[in-house]
Amino acid sequence: EPEVTQTPSHQVTQMGQEVILRCVPISNHLYFYWYRQILGQKVEFLVSFYNNEISEKSEIFDDQFSVERPDGSNFTLKIRSTKLEDSAMYFCASSEAPGTQYFGPGTRLTVL
Amino acid sequence: ILNVEQSPQSLHVQEGDSTNFTCSFPSSNFYALHWYRWETAKSPEALFVMTLNGDEKKKGRISATLNTKEGYSYLYIKGSQPEDSATYLCAFNALGGATNKLIFGTGTLLAVQP
Repeated sequence: EPEVTQTPSHQVTQMGQEVILRCVPISNHLYFYWYRQILGQKVEFLVSFYNNEISEKSEIFDDQFSVERPDGSNFTLKIRSTKLEDSAMYFCASSEAPGTQYFGPGTRLTVL
Repeated sequence: ILNVEQSPQSLHVQEGDSTNFTCSFPSSNFYALHWYRWETAKSPEALFVMTLNGDEKKKGRISATLNTKEGYSYLYIKGSQPEDSATYLCAFNALGGATNKLIFGTGTLLAVQP
């Protein structure tokens, strides 16, 4: 069964460093998303992406964040200068159409 | 601000018990309600997408109902098994958004003791 994959499973970085979180969505899906969950809090929406552009972003998704679909299979989330409060589990999701979103297993980001 | 709440936060039951939990969501601007099952270190797994008031969905021993007028959904598990232990998340889609971003509840952590 096709699935969304994410790498790495765990990323540790120093405050101020750039990180790139990678996702491979399900191959025939057209809609892509990033969510995150800070420990003990709700899963929260960051950004959605369709037709090679951002469709919607939350207020969390400021200038430090960017997304890219560089090669038609990967979907990346970049954080330019990480802060302590960026430590969270980051989930990628994809969907064929508006409807069920299929999630990856997440990347745990730890900012020291 | 759209708020989605789930109760209880956690639940411990014995194998064979039936259980249910609640998701409450805004009753206006409803588009869809999703249920996910999330085991630690795995991907959240889609269980149901519900769109119509009065909808009832079933998958094996798990079923869900939807009341959009009053803004709640129940998830039922009949005859719980240890492998049902997971966090159950509900997520709300509002009508009229640019995309179908999901607004999640806090989740209900279910532990089933053998």
